[in-house]
Amino acid sequence: ETGVTQTPRHLVMGMTNKKSLKCEQHLGHNAMYWYKQSAKKPLELMFVYNFKEQTENNSVPSRFSPECPNSSHLFLHLHTLQPEDSALYLCASSQEVYNEQFFGPGTRLTVL
Amino acid sequence: AQSVTQLDSQVPVFEEAPVELRCNYSSSVSVYLFWYVQYPNQGLQLLLKYLSGSTLVESINGFEAEFNKSQTSFHLRKPSVHISDTAEYFCAVAAGGGKLIFGQGTELSVKP
Repeated sequence: ETGVTQTPRHLVMGMTNKKSLKCEQHLGHNAMYWYKQSAKKPLELMFVYNFKEQTENNSVPSRFSPECPNSSHLFLHLHTLQPEDSALYLCASSQEVYNEQFFGPGTRLTVL
Repeated sequence: AQSVTQLDSQVPVFEEAPVELRCNYSSSVSVYLFWYVQYPNQGLQLLLKYLSGSTLVESINGFEAEFNKSQTSFHLRKPSVHISDTAEYFCAVAAGGGKLIFGQGTELSVKP
């Protein structure tokens, strides 16, 4: 595996479910990011982690809970989501927070 | 505060025609600019970047962008497009602390 991988690629869940998105980077980077991409809207930065520490929470609702156990892995735990949370969730990584970001393929989430 | 405006949401062109995708930014700090491309069902890939130095930057697949400080623009150009260039293109400005502020995207559609 190379680059940034995300699993699952597609996820359908009900509003009462709990699920997790996983991101793994094989680039030796120190910073990782979660973005939300909704139709007809700019990409929205959700969270930034630098050396496993959260450095940015862009006013994200608490039903989204990130976890970064080490510099290579990033999770996004989901619970009691709303239909408007349906979107493509993209993970990215960079060597440092000021470097270019490399993106994963995304998880297409549908909340019913 | 930083912001990015992509003036065209959709740009249809014929194969082998030239194309320009427009991007204007506002930034109160040092300007780092990026163009990313997103092919269907994939994540974003870095196309080119401006960090400092020459105001004209090029990608390996024939795209180029010119940083124009006086016009606060970073337009993307290609003299002759291919069918395979059909994708969505995002302009972004670095906002510090790992944040990238993205424009709303321009959908380039190349027709035979």
